[in-house]
Amino acid sequence: GNSVTQMEGPVTLSEEAFLTINCTYTATGYPSLFWYVQYPGEGLQLLLKATKADDKGSNKGFEATYRKETTSFHLEKGSVQVSDSAVYFCALTQAGTALIFGKGTTLSVSS
Amino acid sequence: NAGVTQTPKFRVLKTGQSMTLLCAQDMNHEYMYWYRQDPGMGLRLIHYSVGEGTTAKGEVPDGYNVSRLKKQNFLLGLESAAPSQTSVYFCASSYTMGQGTIQYFGAGTRLSVL
Repeated sequence: GNSVTQMEGPVTLSEEAFLTINCTYTATGYPSLFWYVQYPGEGLQLLLKATKADDKGSNKGFEATYRKETTSFHLEKGSVQVSDSAVYFCALTQAGTALIFGKGTTLSVSS
Repeated sequence: NAGVTQTPKFRVLKTGQSMTLLCAQDMNHEYMYWYRQDPGMGLRLIHYSVGEGTTAKGEVPDGYNVSRLKKQNFLLGLESAAPSQTSVYFCASSYTMGQGTIQYFGAGTRLSVL
C-alpha cells in the first residue's frame, strides 16, 4: 500500500542555517504530495503542496519539488528562524483516499 | 471564521468510562475525518465521513464509533475507554477527497485514560 517515510528527528539548527527534511514515498500512479506543519499546541496546517511530477511547492520561504524518478519530496529552507520550530509532516493522497502521513520530524531552531 | 472546532480541548478519563468528542466545521465541507496522533507514529486515520449520514473505517477504527447526523458535525465516541486510547485526537475536513485536496485541521483534543 501507499506509505510515506521521512527522516527521523529531532533536527536542531541555529537561526539562519539551511534546512533539509527528507521525505520519500511509495505509491502507485501519481499521488499528490504535501507538507503540513504543526506549531506547538496547535493543529496541522498546510505548508505547501505539489500535484504532479516536477512541480515545486513553496510558501513562507519553504520549498519542495515533486521528484517522480526518486519518489521524493524533500522540504528545504535557505535560512530558518526561531519561529519555524515545529513538527513537519510529509503526506500524500490519491483519488478517493484520505491523507497518508509520515511520522513527523521535529525541528528546533535556536537563536 | 472559525474553521474546524474541537471540543473539549483536554479530558481525563478512567478506564471503562465513555465520552464523545465533538468536531464542528463551518466551511460546508462534505468530508470529515478523525485522526489520532501518537509519539513516533504520525497521524493515523480512525474513521471518516464522505457526507451527512455516512461513515467509514480508517486505519485504526477499533474501540471507536462515529456519527455524522449533521453535515457540519462529526462525533467520535469511546464506549469503554482503555489506556491505549490515550492520545491526541484531531478532526479535519475537506471539500473533496483525494488528489490535491487540502484538509483543514482542528486544534486537537488531548485525552488521557488512566
